[in-house]
Amino acid sequence: EPEVTQTPSHQVTQMGQEVILRCVPISNHLYFYWYRQILGQKVEFLVSFYNNEISEKSEIFDDQFSVERPDGSNFTLKIRSTKLEDSAMYFCASLQGVGDTQYFGPGTRLTVL
Amino acid sequence: QKEVEQNSGPLSVPEGAIASLNCTYSERGSQSFFWYRQYSGKSPELIMSIYSNGDKEDGRFTAQLNKASQYVSLLIRDSQPSDSATYLCAVLERADGLTFGKGTHLIIQP
Repeated sequence: EPEVTQTPSHQVTQMGQEVILRCVPISNHLYFYWYRQILGQKVEFLVSFYNNEISEKSEIFDDQFSVERPDGSNFTLKIRSTKLEDSAMYFCASLQGVGDTQYFGPGTRLTVL
Repeated sequence: QKEVEQNSGPLSVPEGAIASLNCTYSERGSQSFFWYRQYSGKSPELIMSIYSNGDKEDGRFTAQLNKASQYVSLLIRDSQPSDSATYLCAVLERADGLTFGKGTHLIIQP
């Protein structure tokens, strides 16, 4: 069964450093998402991406964040200058089309020291 | 501000009994409703989706939707210890981001 994959599974970085989290969505899916979950808190929507552009973003997704689909398979989330409060699980999800279900990847645990 | 409310629990249910999980949402225009299961340290896993008023059954799971009351529920029949997890209610307005509740921690007691 096709699945969303994410790398790395765990990323440790120093405050102020840039990180790139990578996702490979399901191959025939057209909509892509990033969510985060701070430990013990709810899953929060960051950004959605369709047709090579951002379609919606939350208040969390400020200028420190960017997304890119550099090729036909990868979908990346970049955090330019990480802060301690960016420590969280980051989940990628993809969706085939409107009315379908979002399928989540296994997540990347980001730890900012 | 979109809100999805769930009782955080823990909800403790004996093995073999029915577990009942509830969720309310604030956005009347919400169109799609989902129940995800999340084990500790893992990603959300879809259990059920429901789009119209009424009940939808899938195996031991039944989702119920009442748009007038802005209320979604999930029933788990014949609860098993492996059902112990956090259950996340999620709501979608359009083809954009899901709004999640904080989740209900369910414990099935053997």
